[in-house]
Amino acid sequence: AQKVTQAQTEISVVEKEDVTLDCVYETRDTTYYLFWYKQPPSGELVFLIRRNSFDEQNEISGRYSWNFQKSTSSFNFTITASQVVDSAVYFCALSEAQRAGRRALTFGSGTRLQVQP
Amino acid sequence: DTGVSQDPRHKITKRGQNVTFRCDPISEHNRLYWYRQTLGQGPEFLTYFQNEAQLEKSRLLSDRFSAERPKGSFSTLEIQRTEQGDSAMYLCASSLRSGPYGYTFGSGTRLTVV
Repeated sequence: AQKVTQAQTEISVVEKEDVTLDCVYETRDTTYYLFWYKQPPSGELVFLIRRNSFDEQNEISGRYSWNFQKSTSSFNFTITASQVVDSAVYFCALSEAQRAGRRALTFGSGTRLQVQP
Repeated sequence: DTGVSQDPRHKITKRGQNVTFRCDPISEHNRLYWYRQTLGQGPEFLTYFQNEAQLEKSRLLSDRFSAERPKGSFSTLEIQRTEQGDSAMYLCASSLRSGPYGYTFGSGTRLTVV
């Protein structure tokens, strides 16, 4: 069975600090996809990134960066120079590609990030 | 197209009543998913449609829950004889078969059973 663990329940930082959100996953599949979503107070889940299990290159998008390490089954998310608008709940999720057609997501329990001005 | 629409946004119902939620996916998306999210938790998968066919149901989906997607367009999720434990946010998502950008979620329907 697949599982996603986000051990950090809540993180509070001051604006302009860097912050890293941890994600550890478990899966028996060799092919899978990892995601990060942002859930602001409005409730809608906003897609941030998708990585497949064959691509371990780190990715940077503006102030966001992702560190995928297959050896430790981790897919961590760093926000550089955090801003108040980054305040939200962030979810890491896993989808097993080999399960034909389904591709439903298994989510972690989320990390609530509060960025103080 | 403005994304995935869900209606209503909020629903308060008395225990024992039936409720129905609607989801309108992005028009070209053939896959549709329902998830349930309780307070402080991540969304949990309920069921999945490819076009009009319901291909999978989670064990979370008890006999009181039923979902349909007639004609492969909008979908409805009905809960019969609601219980207080059904109180949650019900999220709908849609995707293309091989879309590279993940799933697009709606804003959800928040159900409160009193």
